[in-house]
Amino acid sequence: ELKVEQNPLFLSMQEGKNYTIYCNYSTTSDRLYWYRQDPGKSLESLFVLLSNGAVKQEGRLMASLDTKARLSTLHITAAVHDLSATYFCAVDPRKLTFGTGTRLQVTL
Amino acid sequence: GAVVSQHPSWVICKSGTSVKIECRSLDFQATTMFWYRQFPKQSLMLMATSNEGSKATYEQGVEKDKFLINHASLTLSTLTVTSAHPEDSSFYICSAPGGQGRSYGYTFGSGTRLTVV
Repeated sequence: ELKVEQNPLFLSMQEGKNYTIYCNYSTTSDRLYWYRQDPGKSLESLFVLLSNGAVKQEGRLMASLDTKARLSTLHITAAVHDLSATYFCAVDPRKLTFGTGTRLQVTL
Repeated sequence: GAVVSQHPSWVICKSGTSVKIECRSLDFQATTMFWYRQFPKQSLMLMATSNEGSKATYEQGVEKDKFLINHASLTLSTLTVTSAHPEDSSFYICSAPGGQGRSYGYTFGSGTRLTVV
């Protein structure tokens, strides 16, 4: 059974500081997705990583993928309040399986 | 880009009644639709996969007779929660393969908040 684990589960961030979320998965997958979910809302697609070594960046967020280590990271640079949300990674060997989620809270 | 329209956004129903949730793919054909359930502060769990013109595939532990899925056309998939009970209260999200750019891979509906009283 595919397992997708994220850590930390909860992250309290100070504005202006840098943080990293980790996503580990238990089976081979060539695709990894990152999503953002605001309270009461559906998922917003952030990144799609399609190959080993892939790195994508948008704004203060940067995602990378190491398929050999079965690890993806989501790096947050200079956190701001607008980034407060829950972030999910998901892998796709046949069907999308979501990670446990990381709830980010940015404080002043 | 690809859009999946999901209705209703929220619904409150009495225990024992049935509720239907619709997901329509706009501007693209969705031969497959995934249905997820999300309890508060938890991740999304895949309930079932519907395929146009064939029976849905249910994940282990999901009651087929309780969660009826119909994929009547290439643009419409429905989930009916039959004889709903309070423990069925949850956030239900559909998703179809497809999309471009950042949404490459899967396009998600806006979700349905079901409350059973």
